[in-house]
Amino acid sequence: NAGVMQNPRHLVRRRGQEARLRCSPMKGHSHVYWYRQLPEEGLKFMVYLQKENIIDESGMPKERFSAEFPKEGPSILRIQQVVRGDSAAYFCASSPEPSGNTIYFGEGSWLTVV
Amino acid sequence: TQLLEQSPQFLSIQEGENLTVYCNSSSVFSSLQWYRQEPGEGPVLLVTVVTGGEVKKLKRLTFQFGDARKDSSLHITAAQPGDTGLYLCAGESMNRDDKIIFGKGTRLHILP
Repeated sequence: NAGVMQNPRHLVRRRGQEARLRCSPMKGHSHVYWYRQLPEEGLKFMVYLQKENIIDESGMPKERFSAEFPKEGPSILRIQQVVRGDSAAYFCASSPEPSGNTIYFGEGSWLTVV
Repeated sequence: TQLLEQSPQFLSIQEGENLTVYCNSSSVFSSLQWYRQEPGEGPVLLVTVVTGGEVKKLKRLTFQFGDARKDSSLHITAAQPGDTGLYLCAGESMNRDDKIIFGKGTRLHILP
């Protein structure tokens, strides 16, 4: 886990607010993945990004969710108008190159919607 | 859709026993990874297997990749309470979309 930094670790939002989750990949990694994990579940793929480019967003809900990985700065997962069902752990992972390879996870951001 | 099925979902055994957990799919994967996750933490990579039939050992843990690269197993010898956790397998897609998909995990509890 060392190197992939996620913040905040815990976030509480009221229904209708926006949640922004940040991920700084490991040094030298230019590929970022976001996963969501519900209690007692495995990890569900959401989106795969390279710098300034979304490669695969097939796991992202069509509405309210967006992700970016700008040229400078961390990757951001943004959830607008949060609902209770968005409560989950959101994990970011990074890798140094494409073709999957091995990805390294951050410690996660736990979102609670009240 | 590529799926990874892990079994059993839950396993509770006594310290000192041996166990095997499985990760199966009808799809072929370029590589397969095993992770261990503890409550409130992110998954930690244990091993990556790439070649069909490959066996890797990590102390008391033995990982095997199936010959056809569709399945994998994790065997733990003389389990210890510190082995308790959620074991996740993940596969790298063969259809070159660079996506890694996860199974739902096996939740392992070792009783002292």
